[in-house]
Amino acid sequence: GAGVSQSPSNKVTEKGKDVELRCDPISGHTALYWYRQSLGQGLEFLIYFQGNSAPDKSGLPSDRFSAERTGGSVSTLTIQRTQQEDSAVYLCASSFRPGAASSYNSPLHFGNGTRLTVT
Amino acid sequence: AQTVTQSQPEMSVQEAETVTLSCTYDTSESDYYLFWYKQPPSRQMILVIRQEAYKQQNATENRFSVNFQKAAKSFSLKISDSQLGDAAMYFCAYRSEGAQKLVFGQGTRLTINP
Repeated sequence: GAGVSQSPSNKVTEKGKDVELRCDPISGHTALYWYRQSLGQGLEFLIYFQGNSAPDKSGLPSDRFSAERTGGSVSTLTIQRTQQEDSAVYLCASSFRPGAASSYNSPLHFGNGTRLTVT
Repeated sequence: AQTVTQSQPEMSVQEAETVTLSCTYDTSESDYYLFWYKQPPSRQMILVIRQEAYKQQNATENRFSVNFQKAAKSFSLKISDSQLGDAAMYFCAYRSEGAQKLVFGQGTRLTINP
C-alpha cells in the first residue's frame, strides 16, 4: 500500500511569505508526527497528533508555526511570515497507534519530507 | 531534558568489513527506548534496530547489532559485512517511556568503499 506522502517535495519561498506543507499519513494510522531537520542536524520534534487532537505541540519553535489535522487523516503544517532560519527539511511520520515508534510490529513510517528554502 | 550525542560526523568502511557507530545519551530516567534510524538520500527515515532499556540482552537484526551499556549511557551500532546499500546517514534516537516524541542525535554519515 501507499506510504506516508508529503507535498510539495520541494518549496522555495521568499522571506515573509506564508507556506503550507501537507502530509498524507498511511490510512488507518491514528498517530501523526512532524519533525524538522535543519542542514547537517538531527531531527527536531515539532508536534504530535492523536486523531485530530495535538496533545504535544511543545516543539513548535514560535507562534508563526501551526498545524492541524482533519478527519484523522491529512495534516497541514503552516509557517507564517517565513524567515531564513525556517529553511529545513520537514518530515512527517505516522503510526498505527501511539508509542509505536518502539514497536517493530507497528513502526513509525516516515515520508520523504518537504525541503523548504526561504530566500 | 534528554540529549543524544553522536560524536562521529562521518565514518567510512570497506565493503564487507565491520563498522561501529557511537551514540551516547543523557537521561535520568530508568525506562526508555533507543533506536537507530537510517536515512538514505531519499530522506525517508528507516528503522534499523531498537532496544528497550529494561532488556539486558543486546538487540540484533541480521547484520546489525547494538552494544547497549545502560550504566555508561552508551548505545553503539555495529554493522557487519558492510554493503554498498548501507551507505546513508545514521541517527541514534531516544524515547521516554510514555512519551511520544523521539530525541535524535546529530547523525553520522556512513560511506562504504567498494
